[in-house]
Amino acid sequence: AQTVTQSQPEMSVQEAETVTLSCTYDTSENNYYLFWYKQPPSRQMILVIRQEAYKQQNATENRFSVNFQKAAKSFSLKISDSQLGDTAMYFCAFIANYGGSQGNLIFGKGTKLSVKP
Amino acid sequence: DGGITQSPKYLFRKEGQNVTLSCEQNLNHDAMYWYRQDPGQGLRLIYYSQIVNDFQKGDIAEGYSVSREKKESFPLTVTSAQKNPTAFYLCASRAGQGSVGELFFGEGSRLTVL
Repeated sequence: AQTVTQSQPEMSVQEAETVTLSCTYDTSENNYYLFWYKQPPSRQMILVIRQEAYKQQNATENRFSVNFQKAAKSFSLKISDSQLGDTAMYFCAFIANYGGSQGNLIFGKGTKLSVKP
Repeated sequence: DGGITQSPKYLFRKEGQNVTLSCEQNLNHDAMYWYRQDPGQGLRLIYYSQIVNDFQKGDIAEGYSVSREKKESFPLTVTSAQKNPTAFYLCASRAGQGSVGELFFGEGSRLTVL
C-alpha cells in the first residue's frame, strides 16, 4: 500500500524568507505523480505544483519549487520570498500510474504554514 | 466559468437524520470523488466514481452512500449509520484515465451534527 508522510504538522516563516516543507512517500511503483496542494483559510484546495516521477528535473512554478529525490522517496516543497497569502495548509499527494490508468490520490496529513509579517 | 459547486456550504443535522450534500461539475470530467477532512487527519476518501452509473467505496465508506446518475452530479448522503458525521466534506473531479491526475476541488461543505 502507498503512504504519504508529512512530518511537520505546523511551520512558520517570516515574510520574504524561504521555507521548505517535507514529504516522504512509500511505494513499490516506478511510475507515479506527486503533487502539492494548498488549502487557504477559505478551504478551497488548489494545486500548487506537480512532478512526474519519470522526470529527473525538479518542477518549478514561480516562487514554488520541489526537491524530488526518487531513490529516497522524498518530495519537499520550497517556497521562496514567502508572502502573507501563502498562509495555508499544504498537502502532499501521490498517485500511481498503471500503464495509462491511475489509482486514487493519496494525501498526507498536511502541514499548516503561517507566514508572519 | 468551469468548476465544481458544492452545496450547502454549512449544514446542521440532528442525530438520526440523513442528509445529502450536493456536488455538481461543469468541467466534463469523468471521475468524481468525495473526501472527508478532519483536523490532523488529512483527506480521507469516502467514495469515488470513474464513470456514470458506477461508483466504488473508498477507505471510509461506512455510513455514507452515493449515486452517479449523471456525469455532472455526484451527491453524497450521510446516513444515520455514520457514527461521527461532523466534518468538512470535499468533492473533487478529474478528467479521467489518461489525464495527469490533477484533482479539481469544490469549496467544501461543513456538516455539524447537533
